[in-house]
Amino acid sequence: AQKVTQAQTEISVVEKEDVTLDCVYETRDTTYYLFWYKQPPSGELVFLIRRNSFDEQNEISGRYSWNFQKSTSSFNFTITASQVVDSAVYFCALSPIIQGAQKLVFGQGTRLTINP
Amino acid sequence: DAGITQSPRHKVTETGTPVTLRCHQTENHRYMYWYRQDPGHGLRLIHYSYGVKDTDKGEVSDGYSVSRSKTEDFLLTLESATSSQTSVYFCAIKNSGGGARETQYFGPGTRLLVL
Repeated sequence: AQKVTQAQTEISVVEKEDVTLDCVYETRDTTYYLFWYKQPPSGELVFLIRRNSFDEQNEISGRYSWNFQKSTSSFNFTITASQVVDSAVYFCALSPIIQGAQKLVFGQGTRLTINP
Repeated sequence: DAGITQSPRHKVTETGTPVTLRCHQTENHRYMYWYRQDPGHGLRLIHYSYGVKDTDKGEVSDGYSVSRSKTEDFLLTLESATSSQTSVYFCAIKNSGGGARETQYFGPGTRLLVL
């Protein structure tokens, strides 16, 4: 069975602080995808990133960076110099790499509040 | 924008009544999904479709049925709504094209309240 755990239910920081959202996963699949989605207060789900399990290179996109460590089954997300617009619920998700359907298993989400 | 719309966006219904939610896409994607979002659970897969008339169950399919008679429409039906089905329902499509493009994009969601 697959499982994604986001142990931080809520995080609150002051603007311009750096913040890391943790994601730990369990899977028996040897190849899999990991995802992060953002859900702002307006409610829509916004795709942020997809990583393959065979590519452990960290990724940076502007103020966002992702640290994938297969040895600890973690895929953590860091926002550098946070801004109020980063306030949202963030979801980590997992799916096996198979031909066809991509059935996502989500974590419970972390609500991030950036205070001015 | 993956060209996904959901209707209705909000619905209030009573226990025991049937409810159908519609997901419509404009880009001819093969795979479509229904998820529900509940506090403390994130999103959970209800059903998905891999083509016209081809559907399969997800993690929380009990009490739900789906149909896909056209590529662009994926319907989710609650045959007899219960209060435990109060939730926010999201439709998604899987973008095709291979490689990094193959990921899921979500519709705006439908907020359902069962009284």
